[in-house]
Amino acid sequence: EAGVTQFPSHSVIEKGQTVTLRCDPISGHDNLYWYRRVMGKEIKFLLHFVKESKQDESGMPNNRFLAERTGGTYSTLKVQPAELEDSGVYFCASSPVLDSPLHFGNGTRLTVT
Amino acid sequence: QKEVEQNSGPLSVPEGAIASLNCTYSDRGSQSFFWYRQYSGKSPELIMSIYSNGDKEDGRFTAQLNKASQYVSLLIRDSQPSDSATYLCAVSLNRDMRFGAGTRLTVKP
Repeated sequence: EAGVTQFPSHSVIEKGQTVTLRCDPISGHDNLYWYRRVMGKEIKFLLHFVKESKQDESGMPNNRFLAERTGGTYSTLKVQPAELEDSGVYFCASSPVLDSPLHFGNGTRLTVT
Repeated sequence: QKEVEQNSGPLSVPEGAIASLNCTYSDRGSQSFFWYRQYSGKSPELIMSIYSNGDKEDGRFTAQLNKASQYVSLLIRDSQPSDSATYLCAVSLNRDMRFGAGTRLTVKP
């Protein structure tokens, strides 16, 4: 079984540019989560998809962040325009059912300069 | 009040000792609780899940849950240097998963 895959693994962009992160969950996992970890701080919840629907997007910091999961398969997280404080590691995780353990991808390390 | 709180540490124990990691959560309705381990630069990996009050043991790891006190803990017996990592407490909250800031554990040879 392939795990959760994220692309790219690293991204360095300048302030004001756009970046799109991609996550491919484990096949058959309806639940897909995005989290962000800023160095030294907690893994902060961003949003949760159930299939293609946004179950909870209360953690999205502002309207510069847009997440999609068309067709209920892979998901993208776009940051436009990027700001310095957006730097961190963005993790994607999936699970087959609610309240079950999450399977994490390796994360995308985003650096905004 | 944070949804999930952990002592950030660092917690340092000698090899062979018991490491005790603690976590409290704010929502009494939470039903599922997890401990993840995260090595530096890696993604979190599941160690234990616990759903009912009491103790759950898996090898050198024991998770303890007390819903009345809104408290969950992880004990690591016979700690090894390879256990050195950040341990994350996660709580299912309103059908979503919330994480604590993590406790950094160092096991010294």
